[in-house]
Formats: sequence, C-alpha cells, structure tokens
Amino acid sequence: QVQLVESGGGVVQPGRSLRLSCAASGFTFSAYGMHWVRQAPGKGLEWVAYVWFDESQKYYTDSVKGRFTISRDNSKNTLYLQMNSLRAEDAGVYYCARAMTYYLDYWGQGTLVTVSS
Amino acid sequence: QSVLTQPPSVSGAPGQRVTISCTGSSSNIGAGYDVHWYQHLPGTAPKLLIFGNTNRPSGVPDRFSGSKSGTSASLAITGLQAEDEGDYYCQSFDTSLGGSRVFGSGTKVTVL
Repeated sequence: QVQLVESGGGVVQPGRSLRLSCAASGFTFSAYGMHWVRQAPGKGLEWVAYVWFDESQKYYTDSVKGRFTISRDNSKNTLYLQMNSLRAEDAGVYYCARAMTYYLDYWGQGTLVTVSS
Repeated sequence: QSVLTQPPSVSGAPGQRVTISCTGSSSNIGAGYDVHWYQHLPGTAPKLLIFGNTNRPSGVPDRFSGSKSGTSASLAITGLQAEDEGDYYCQSFDTSLGGSRVFGSGTKVTVL
C-alpha cells in the first residue's frame, strides 16, 4: 500500500533553515510527481510546491519562491523540502502528497514546523 | 485569502443530507478545470474523497457525491454519520497562479 512518511520538522528560529523529508513506499516513486502542502495553526490547507517525476519542472506558491526548494532523490524514494529564511508565517504542519493529474491522491501524516525565537 | 470560497461551517443531524459549496472564478473552475474534494479528520492525514468533479476513489462510500457547474462545485454528504465530522476542502487548478494547485478555504462539518 502507498505510504508517505514525513520527517524533519521541529522548532527553528526565524531566519534559519530546515529540511523536510518524505519517505515513499508502496509505489513506483520515480513515476509520480510529488507535492508539499502545509496547514498553519487554525488555518486551512495551502499548496506549497510541486515537482515533476523527473525533477525537470518545479512550481512554488508565491510566498515561498526564492526561499524554499523542492527536490527528490528517486534512488532513495525520498522527497525533500529545503526551507530557508524561515518566517513565523511558515509555521504549521507540512504534508507530502502524491500527484495525479491536477489532484493529490495519497497524503502523509505530516510533520510539524514551529518558527519561534 | 483562498482563491476558492467555501462556507466556514455546515451542520446536520445524523442521517441528514448536507452540501458544501466551492466557488471559484474564470481562472480556475470556470476555465474548465476539475474540482477535487478532500476530507481531513482530526489527527489524520487528508484523504481524497472526490476527484474529477464526480468520481469516488475505491473505498469511499457512495454517501459522498460531487458536482460542478460553471464557476462552482458542490460536495454532498447523504446519510450523515458521526464519523463524517471534520474539515472538507475543495481543490482545483488556477491558471493565474503560475500553474499551481489551489485549495478552498475549508468547511467544518459538524454532526449534531
């Protein structure tokens, strides 16, 4: 069965960096695009970034462009999100999800990012 | 501020029918892009409920149904059950945002 397990969350000071990982199993990881979606405390879901199956295309929401980088290692079945220059408004639960045509069919349980001094 | 607008909350008694609307614009739903729905129950991973406006993934009860018309879409839950209590989000694709996926503002479903 499809499994997505996020890790790497934690408490970080504003302006610092954090790298999230998403370990995938139960499907051919290299054949699928992948997304990161976040949920700030008390808020709704917000799409963050998307990477094609071969990493040839990457897309970001405007608020993270230039600060976040989505990447993947198909040999390790792992998706990453490098988050730099973190701000208070970046705090929340970050989910990775498998991409289908225009929708997201499987999601992980999420990893919590807290940005605080 | 979400590109897709949903009512903040809906409620119903067990067994009743509730509907959740999702209103977009000419750059997303109105442009012909499909609407998808997700269920997010407390403490769990979001779950795909409806894809391609009306399709249910395997394992999703037929109590859940979706529709789309013009710049809006709707999710209907019939035979409401206590286990349905949680948050529901619509999602589509928006051409004005660099080819990004967009989520609705979310709707809290309460079973009375």
